[in-house]
Amino acid sequence: AQSVSQHNHHVILSEAASLELGCNYSYGGTVNLFWYVQYPGQHLQLLLKYFSGDPLVKGIKGFEAEFIKSKFSFNLRKPSVQWSDTAEYFCAVIRGSGNTGKLIFGQGTTLQVKP
Amino acid sequence: GAGVSQTPSNKVTEKGKYVELRCDPISGHTALYWYRQSLGQGPEFLIYFQGTGAADDSGLPNDRFFAVRPEGSVSTLKIQRTERGDSAVYLCASSLKMGTDTQYFGPGTRLTVL
Repeated sequence: AQSVSQHNHHVILSEAASLELGCNYSYGGTVNLFWYVQYPGQHLQLLLKYFSGDPLVKGIKGFEAEFIKSKFSFNLRKPSVQWSDTAEYFCAVIRGSGNTGKLIFGQGTTLQVKP
Repeated sequence: GAGVSQTPSNKVTEKGKYVELRCDPISGHTALYWYRQSLGQGPEFLIYFQGTGAADDSGLPNDRFFAVRPEGSVSTLKIQRTERGDSAVYLCASSLKMGTDTQYFGPGTRLTVL
């Protein structure tokens, strides 16, 4: 089935460790890619997005993601995590030219950063 | 400015009852989206509106679910004859216009059907 897959369901890191969260999608054609984050007790908020151009996109709080079309991937990275990065992270896709705005989410990855 | 608000924050109901969930989008946002999030899963699209009209309702699970946005602002998601499987967090989001504009999410309504 066509979907968005996040490989890691639960990741535990110590502060200052590097982070990479995997995201793969199974749609052909044009895709618009997003990472959303939900901090404890807060709303879902946009971390970064990719539509076209430079496949390496930078977001808020030092996060970045790389779109690799040949691998259908959009992995999220951060060189050095902080305790405040503890949250749930969701990868999402809008298919096609983006006219619809219909986000298709992965199942999420819970990141726990130990101080 | 004010973000997306949703009421109630929690709703407990009995199987078979009717519920209404309300979403107040950010002022000026023409696009409004409803998603449903079950425990341990990512949000799942239900329906979205551009203005007053439902542009895509393909995510509504069955005809017990219905949503309206009569004046192009506030939206109400209505669920008839609730079932235990309807228990989830219902999320609303709005964006300036339909498409790839950033969607701003509300806090959600946690629906529990006993």
